[in-house]
Amino acid sequence: DAMVIQNPRYQVTQFGKPVTLSCSQTLNHNVMYWYQQKSSQAPKLLFHYYDKDFNNEADTPDNFQSRRPNTSFCFLDIRSPGLGDAAMYLCATSRRTGGNEQFFGPGTRLTVL
Amino acid sequence: DQQVKQNSPSLSVQEGRISILNCDYTNSMFDYFLWYKKYPAEGPTFLISISSIKDKNEDGRFTVFLNKSAKHLSLHIVPSQPGDSAVYFCAAILSGYALNFGKGTSLLVTP
Repeated sequence: DAMVIQNPRYQVTQFGKPVTLSCSQTLNHNVMYWYQQKSSQAPKLLFHYYDKDFNNEADTPDNFQSRRPNTSFCFLDIRSPGLGDAAMYLCATSRRTGGNEQFFGPGTRLTVL
Repeated sequence: DQQVKQNSPSLSVQEGRISILNCDYTNSMFDYFLWYKKYPAEGPTFLISISSIKDKNEDGRFTVFLNKSAKHLSLHIVPSQPGDSAVYFCAAILSGYALNFGKGTSLLVTP
């Protein structure tokens, strides 16, 4: 089945220790997104890639970076995680932007100690 | 600044009855609206959508209504089934890509 896969499902890191979250897709979609969802909050878009073009949301902290080495994979790097970065991180894909439904992975729950 | 609001954190409905989930938005420029359903330990799954040029879209047991003058969106599930128990997110798009989500409404359908 075509799908969006996120690894790991649960990640524990220490305050200030860099961490990388992984997302892969078998849908061959052009667009990949990273959302952050804190407890009882709405998912919030951090950035997205349209093919290789990177688009950062204006209020995404510099601490968050992303890489998309190919169509299938996208990574979220948190350079120096703070306690406030503990959240669920959701990866999503869509064929194109603008009105298309997005397909989500199961998420990675990040804990910062 | 929350542009999409779901003011009911939870809703409980009996099996077979209608479930109505509500959503309000503040930005009149939103041009596309979507509902997502989320089970625990899974990512959100697309359920149904509606363009701003329409006022109703129906897909099986699910119907979405859009009232642009009131900036209000609702999802109707008829009849409700226990498998519909999940968190439902309303989302809106502004001429592009970013899904603006509400905080979600947790629906419980009881037998």
